[in-house]
Amino acid sequence: KNEVEQSPQNLTAQEGEFITINCSYSVGISALHWLQQHPGGGIVSLFMLSSGKKKHGRLIATINIQEKHSSLHITASHPRDSAVYICAVRGGGSQGNLIFGKGTKLSVKP
Amino acid sequence: SQTIHQWPATLVQPVGSPLSLECTVEGTSNPNLYWYRQAAGRGLQLLFYSVGIGQISSEVPQNLSASRPQDRQFILSSKKLLLSDSGFYLCAWSFPSMGQFFGPGTRLTVL
Repeated sequence: KNEVEQSPQNLTAQEGEFITINCSYSVGISALHWLQQHPGGGIVSLFMLSSGKKKHGRLIATINIQEKHSSLHITASHPRDSAVYICAVRGGGSQGNLIFGKGTKLSVKP
Repeated sequence: SQTIHQWPATLVQPVGSPLSLECTVEGTSNPNLYWYRQAAGRGLQLLFYSVGIGQISSEVPQNLSASRPQDRQFILSSKKLLLSDSGFYLCAWSFPSMGQFFGPGTRLTVL
């Protein structure tokens, strides 16, 4: 079993829909990251969470430490949101390396 | 502000040839540095990380090696590439308790 599981693997939505991507993890963490990878491969960090909820524009990320679960929400989705969204967790050690989920491929149709 | 550079952006190499990928960070000092690989259809995997000059930790045994000759320079190398080395290689930097910042990546194809 992977230490970080994401669902769904693939997601197709119509423009304007509310989108939720889920992430569950099985290890102790010091932080959880949501990353966005565009078709060219470049990765952008969207959020780093250790508790509660963060919001940036149309993106909202939540984390429940007790349940070891996080969600990424996109409100009023747009075709430019099409990308792979990756959940990654950082353990408690000082090295700070991330353990990644396999990603969720989102396609938003106009 | 901090920036991270990787080169080359793309690389096609024959099996058995050597490899050298370079990553440099600007605008910060003594960061943690990481090499990740994303193989086709798979998630990102940590290959190496470094907490300082000359300090390299390997996560996955393989025919790759890493070096950190300067504070803000991280190099990924191989003496003889395998077909299975093909993938997208990402360098990243961070400080403890901070987010990670990724370079633009190098797409390596081994033929």
